[in-house]
Amino acid sequence: EVQLVESGGGLVEPGGSLRLSCAASGFTFNTAWMNWVRQAPGKGLEWVGRVKSKDAGGTTDYAAPVKGRFTISRDDSNNTLYLQMSSLKTEDTAVYYCTTNGGPDWPPYWGQGTLLTVSS
Amino acid sequence: DIQMTQSPSSLSASVGDRVTLTCRASHSINKYLNWFQQKPGKAPKLLIYAASNLERGVPSRFSGSGSGTDFTLTISSLQPEDFATYYCQQSHIIPVTFGPGTKVDIK
Repeated sequence: EVQLVESGGGLVEPGGSLRLSCAASGFTFNTAWMNWVRQAPGKGLEWVGRVKSKDAGGTTDYAAPVKGRFTISRDDSNNTLYLQMSSLKTEDTAVYYCTTNGGPDWPPYWGQGTLLTVSS
Repeated sequence: DIQMTQSPSSLSASVGDRVTLTCRASHSINKYLNWFQQKPGKAPKLLIYAASNLERGVPSRFSGSGSGTDFTLTISSLQPEDFATYYCQQSHIIPVTFGPGTKVDIK
């Protein structure tokens, strides 16, 4: 069974930093392209960014609102995805979800999310 | 960026109704379209992937169709547990984008 378990959320002051983690199991993590998606309170879903598998180059892509402030990385030896966030703004307040990439023949999988609150 | 629109933005329906939700992409996304259901306080739940593939464990009253720019999600007979918000997502082109959602509530 595929499991994605996010952790690391909490309360941070504006301008602060935080790292989220996503522990993956039940699939071959090192070949999976992984994403972060967020949802602000009462709002819709917003893609944050993606990291490809190492064999696909391991490169990252980011949404414009977070580019230069957020960094996605992966530890394939521990089946863990990370989201390092810095220069946090109040508008970054959201539930952050870790997801796998779906494809033409396979579904994406989502975790249950972790809440980040940016407030003074 | 590919813009995703959904219609209607909300609808009221009764148990047993056939409901069709629409999602449109601003450019062709082939069949890289997923549908999610979300209830308050819960994570999105995948219903349909790659436009028409029913996710394992999802009731067969849900079905998806379309390709290119126009897609539909159909619920053949609405059940009480189906009242929720539905989102479409394109994963063909970065940045991945979502529709604004359709809220289905009880008439």
